[in-house]
Amino acid sequence: KQEVTQIPAALSVPEGENLVLNCSFTDSAIYNLQWFRQDPGKGLTSLLLIQSSQREQTSGRLNASLDKSSGRSTLYIAASQPGDSATYLCAVPNTDKLIFGTGTRLQVFP
Amino acid sequence: EAGVAQSPRYKIIEKRQSVAFWCNPISGHATLYWYQQILGQGPKLLIQFQNNGVVDDSQLPKDRFSAERLKGVDSTLKIQPAKLEDSAVYLCASSSGTGGETEAFFGQGTRLTVV
Repeated sequence: KQEVTQIPAALSVPEGENLVLNCSFTDSAIYNLQWFRQDPGKGLTSLLLIQSSQREQTSGRLNASLDKSSGRSTLYIAASQPGDSATYLCAVPNTDKLIFGTGTRLQVFP
Repeated sequence: EAGVAQSPRYKIIEKRQSVAFWCNPISGHATLYWYQQILGQGPKLLIQFQNNGVVDDSQLPKDRFSAERLKGVDSTLKIQPAKLEDSAVYLCASSSGTGGETEAFFGQGTRLTVV
């Protein structure tokens, strides 16, 4: 049974810091891994999708890496801004559905 | 391209009442999902459709929840009667492929509060 874990559960940092969010999964036989952002009370916004054949994906200040063999992914956020404050979720597909972690709640203060 | 549309955005009902949510997926997306997200947790799949057929409804509480996807496009999720523990955000998502190999896109969600 696929299980997804995210650490830390919460993170509070000053503006400008570079930070790393961690995601681990128990079954390495995955098609891909997706990172999402969720603002309070809102839906999910897809940030990055890494295919199983890739090792990393970049979008602006975001960089996500994937190490299938160790069952880990990291989301790197460079030069964090208050607007980055949100919950970040990772998810992997299990047959046809996505299995989510519980998320990392990020607060970036000015 | 337009995203996944959901309505209503918010709903407050008393326990034992009924409620319905609506979802319009991205045009051409064959697969539609309904997820339930309880506060502080990650989303959990309730039901998955491929076109207008059900692929997975193993986690759907069928004594009170029902869902349909008309003509393989729009979908409705209904709860009747609602319980306090149904308070959650209900998320609709769609993808162009099947088997989890394609990217899933989510709507803004419906926040349900049962009092």
